[in-house]
Amino acid sequence: GDSVTQMEGPVTLSEEAFLTINCTYTATGYPSLFWYVQYPGEGLQLLLKATKADDKGSNKGFEATYRKETTSFHLEKGSVQVSDSAVYFCARYSGNTPLVFGKGTRLSVIA
Amino acid sequence: SQTIHQWPATLVQPVGSPLSLECTVEGTSNPNLYWYRQAAGRGLQLLFYSVGIGQISSEVPQNLSASRPQDRQFILSSKKLLLSDSGFYLCAWSYQGRAEAFFGQGTRLTVV
Repeated sequence: GDSVTQMEGPVTLSEEAFLTINCTYTATGYPSLFWYVQYPGEGLQLLLKATKADDKGSNKGFEATYRKETTSFHLEKGSVQVSDSAVYFCARYSGNTPLVFGKGTRLSVIA
Repeated sequence: SQTIHQWPATLVQPVGSPLSLECTVEGTSNPNLYWYRQAAGRGLQLLFYSVGIGQISSEVPQNLSASRPQDRQFILSSKKLLLSDSGFYLCAWSYQGRAEAFFGQGTRLTVV
């Protein structure tokens, strides 16, 4: 079935470091792809999305490019801040079915 | 604008006790509604979703149930809680046929 695989965490980075969180998806159809972020003790918020191949989603300095050839949607940020510490979820959507989420990657940024 | 309310924020319940978590959405009609559970180290697990009043799809067999008595109300229940039911429960909604889901603030359930 449809699935999303994220890199295992936790990821710990120093402030201003470069961030990559890998995400791959099963290539059934042409899904829309998403990154959600969960700050401590809160629900999930949409961070960015891409709906077709080669689309780039971006928000708050984060970017992810929909790569059909590698079935990937890796999240990147050039310079992380302490306030970026959160859990990040990759997700896919195909047709009229619920979002399928990865297991989440916890990011800790230290000053 | 649309808002989603979920309560309570935290709950401590003894094993064997019943459970009722409530979620309501305002500012839209006929939304898709979802219950997810987030357990430590297990990511986000879809428990139930509903595309209309009285229509519930169960993704994972367990001792939980869901009901949708009104268009914008979604309730998660259990008759007898287990220790393994502890976790962070999230309600979400989406427009019909649309991908993006909007999440509530979650309920932290601890079964003792």
